[in-house]
Amino acid sequence: TQLLEQSPQFLSIQEGENLTVYCNSSSVFSSLQWYRQEPGEGPVLLVTVVTGGEVKKLKRLTFQFGDARKDSSLHITAAQTGDTGLYLCAGAPGALTFGGGTRLMVKP
Amino acid sequence: NAGVTQTPKFRILKIGQSMTLQCTQDMNHNYMYWYRQDPGMGLKLIYYSVGAGITDKGEVPNGYNVSRSTTEDFPLRLELAAPSQTSVYFCASMVANTEAFFGQGTRLTVV
Repeated sequence: TQLLEQSPQFLSIQEGENLTVYCNSSSVFSSLQWYRQEPGEGPVLLVTVVTGGEVKKLKRLTFQFGDARKDSSLHITAAQTGDTGLYLCAGAPGALTFGGGTRLMVKP
Repeated sequence: NAGVTQTPKFRILKIGQSMTLQCTQDMNHNYMYWYRQDPGMGLKLIYYSVGAGITDKGEVPNGYNVSRSTTEDFPLRLELAAPSQTSVYFCASMVANTEAFFGQGTRLTVV
């Protein structure tokens, strides 16, 4: 079983739609990170959230860390085709562990 | 800056063969990690190291071994390759609780 559970696993939407991706765990994390991975490449960091309840914005992407520091969400507003990719959450109560990922496809 | 360098990029192994995947970083990071990624899936942690001379098992260590004799290098050894080890392998390095930097990956096929 994965320490970090991501949902949904797959998401296919039209350009301009909004979406939310979730990352949940039964463990408390000192911080959670979100990465984006393109085909044939390694993951690249989008954001790190550290404080319970924290909200961070990166252009059209909004990241939230749960109050209890056990979960996080990624919301994308007005998705674009360039947002297509694999989104991964990661945490480290010990070694850096990744969730199963959410594969996002944004269609024109 | 080179960052994290993995070699080789591609490799085909026969069942039962052995090989070493190389990983080198030039950022003086103390933490290094090896992950495998199966098609369409997330990353599963194989082994990690918090510094030279220290290694520990991750989620899926069976069939693999590592060593960390220097801060820069963290090779991953596959003994007696099996088809189940067909995957893309990523090495990463980081300073504790900061951004992880990844190599370009090694695509391994065991036939």
